[in-house]
Amino acid sequence: SQQGEEDPQALSIQEGENATMNCSYKTSINNLQWYRQNSGRGLVHLILIRSNEREKHSGRLRVTLDTSKKSSSLLITASRAADTASYFCATDAGDSSYKLIFGSGTRLLVRP
Amino acid sequence: GAGVSQSPSNKVTEKGKDVELRCDPISGHTALYWYRQRLGQGLEFLIYFQGNSAPDKSGLPSDRFSAERTGESVSTLTIQRTQQEDSAVYLCASSQPTAQETQYFGPGTRLLVL
Repeated sequence: SQQGEEDPQALSIQEGENATMNCSYKTSINNLQWYRQNSGRGLVHLILIRSNEREKHSGRLRVTLDTSKKSSSLLITASRAADTASYFCATDAGDSSYKLIFGSGTRLLVRP
Repeated sequence: GAGVSQSPSNKVTEKGKDVELRCDPISGHTALYWYRQRLGQGLEFLIYFQGNSAPDKSGLPSDRFSAERTGESVSTLTIQRTQQEDSAVYLCASSQPTAQETQYFGPGTRLLVL
């Protein structure tokens, strides 16, 4: 069963706007990651945030983690058409570091 | 260096036939993983290899599914007597032994069972 659930399922914005996606999970975790998937194929690792971190930045990406609410958010600032993709959060299974549990993803469309 | 590669990119087969999917991980990555992704869904964990051993096969959906890895490198996922519900994208990933949480994914094999 899937642990992470992304919200919204789909998001359409204008180029230049910010995009925010949320992820909720159920059990305790060691870390949470965000991945991007283009055209339903390979996933690209974006960012990893550990359970003792609250916020992390990478370029135009900002990730927050609230372990008390078991939720995370991914913010993409100044979006570009090339950001159009599906975005997934993935958590470890808690008792193992290798098994990733993925949510169902947010489909982002950035209109030029 | 080269990333994770998978072959074939696409596979169309008839119900009841066997298929083999191949994964070439990044050189030096001792950990290898197989995932399945159904249309519009997230990824489902299938199996994890550490070296040539598979300490976790808990995600394999039935005994029609099996996987092996040789030379701590190439892995093959075999699906016997394919069913229509096996249609999905099968993704392989690998990771460094000291950073297993960061997995590098291949482009996947899209399997369609008619």
